[in-house]
Amino acid sequence: RKEVEQDPGPFNVPEGATVAFNCTYSNSASQSFFWYRQDCRKEPKLLMSVYSSGNEDGRFTAQLNRASQYISLLIRDSKLSDSATYLCVVILEFYNQGGKLIFGQGTELSVKP
Amino acid sequence: DVKVTQSSRYLVKRTGEKVFLECVQDMDHENMFWYRQDPGLGLRLIYFSYDVKMKEKGDIPEGYSVSREKKERFSLILESASTNQTSMYLCASRFSGTGGHEQYFGPGTRLTVT
Repeated sequence: RKEVEQDPGPFNVPEGATVAFNCTYSNSASQSFFWYRQDCRKEPKLLMSVYSSGNEDGRFTAQLNRASQYISLLIRDSKLSDSATYLCVVILEFYNQGGKLIFGQGTELSVKP
Repeated sequence: DVKVTQSSRYLVKRTGEKVFLECVQDMDHENMFWYRQDPGLGLRLIYFSYDVKMKEKGDIPEGYSVSREKKERFSLILESASTNQTSMYLCASRFSGTGGHEQYFGPGTRLTVT
C-alpha cells in the first residue's frame, strides 16, 4: 500500500465547477499536511497547509480528518488557471532533524472553457 | 525571496558517464532533498540530508550518491549513468524542526541518458 494515495485523474471540469480531491495516508504518526500545485513542466509549489480545524484560502478549502487519515481539497468556481496537478503531501518529522515529505502521485485537473 | 537553483535545466549524457547535479539554496535551510519525477510514478525521494555532511537514503537510492560539504549545496552523483536514470530531477530544501515548514523546490533538471 502506498504511504499517500490520491484520487486517480485526470479530472476534466467546466469553468465555474466545484471539484474535490481526496487523499489518504497510512502512517498515523504523520504530523503536518499540505497541498502542493505543479504546473506542466514546472516545479511543485505550496498551495496551502492543511489544519485539523479546516482552512480556507479564497476559493480553496482544505480539510484534515486525523481519525480517518484523510485529507481533502475543494476548489470552488474553477478557473482555467486552476489547471494543474495537485499533490497531497504528508510530513513525518524526525526529532531534531527536520522532516521527510511524502508525496502522493498527484491528481491532474483540467478546467475547460 | 527563497531561491533553490539547480546547475542545469537540461542535460544529455551517455551511458556509463559520471553525472553531477548541483543544487544551491540561499535560505540557510538545514534539510535538503533530491527527488526524481517520472510519469505515473510521481515524486520519489532519492536521498536527503538534514545537515552538513549528513545524508540519509530515500526510497530509491540505488545508482546514486550525494555530497553535502556546505550547508547551501547538495550534490547528486550518478556514478555510471544508465538509460533508466533518464528522468526529471528536482532538488528541494526546508527548515528543520517541527512546525510544518514549507519545502521549496528548484526548477528541475531534465536528464536524458542515451
